[in-house]
Amino acid sequence: DAKTTQPPSMDCAEGRAANLPCNHSTISGNEYVYWYRQIHSQGPQYIIHGLKNNETNEMASLIITEDRKSSTLILPHATLRDTAVYYCIVRVARSGDKIIFGKGTRLHILP
Amino acid sequence: GAVVSQHPSWVICKSGTSVKIECRSLDFQATTMFWYRQFPKQSLMLMATSNEGSKATYEQGVEKDKFLINHASLTLSTLTVTSAHPEDSSFYICSAPPGGSSYNEQFFGPGTRLTVL
Repeated sequence: DAKTTQPPSMDCAEGRAANLPCNHSTISGNEYVYWYRQIHSQGPQYIIHGLKNNETNEMASLIITEDRKSSTLILPHATLRDTAVYYCIVRVARSGDKIIFGKGTRLHILP
Repeated sequence: GAVVSQHPSWVICKSGTSVKIECRSLDFQATTMFWYRQFPKQSLMLMATSNEGSKATYEQGVEKDKFLINHASLTLSTLTVTSAHPEDSSFYICSAPPGGSSYNEQFFGPGTRLTVL
């Protein structure tokens, strides 16, 4: 069963902030929100993860609602190289556990 | 971050032959590795969990006799597609989670594109 719901595709103008939403209304108390992305014909790349506080790293920011039922990944200044499929995944924070991918959001950055 | 490599990056083979794909963790040890398959325009589908020193665990619907997995060392897992057919043509990706508490994510290989003629 899918634990997350994401829009199938989104467009964003180059240089603007890309905001990718994710719904995870059945998230458990010990589950984190992870984001990975997959550029065409490459393996997935880890972006960021968080439990309940907002997180920021050199790639992106993660905003998690107070009830933890949804989150938004923010790419602050999107470039053409950010064109990819973005996967939102909820899972416990044990790296050894398997990851089940949903369908993700295909983000198109427009020049 | 940690690096995972795959070899070969692409392979073309004739129907009925077997193909071996390697997944290596280059700068860390991985007692567990995961194998995924991805068809065009689709998401990654988990095939199996590779366990060092023991049998692999296959997901429902994945034929263990067709997709042989060997995890002979802490840095190497291999996936052998036996008697490959055109429907096995796909993008195969492995992932490896570094051990220890300092990592919470997994690292993925670059993928191997298999084309069966």
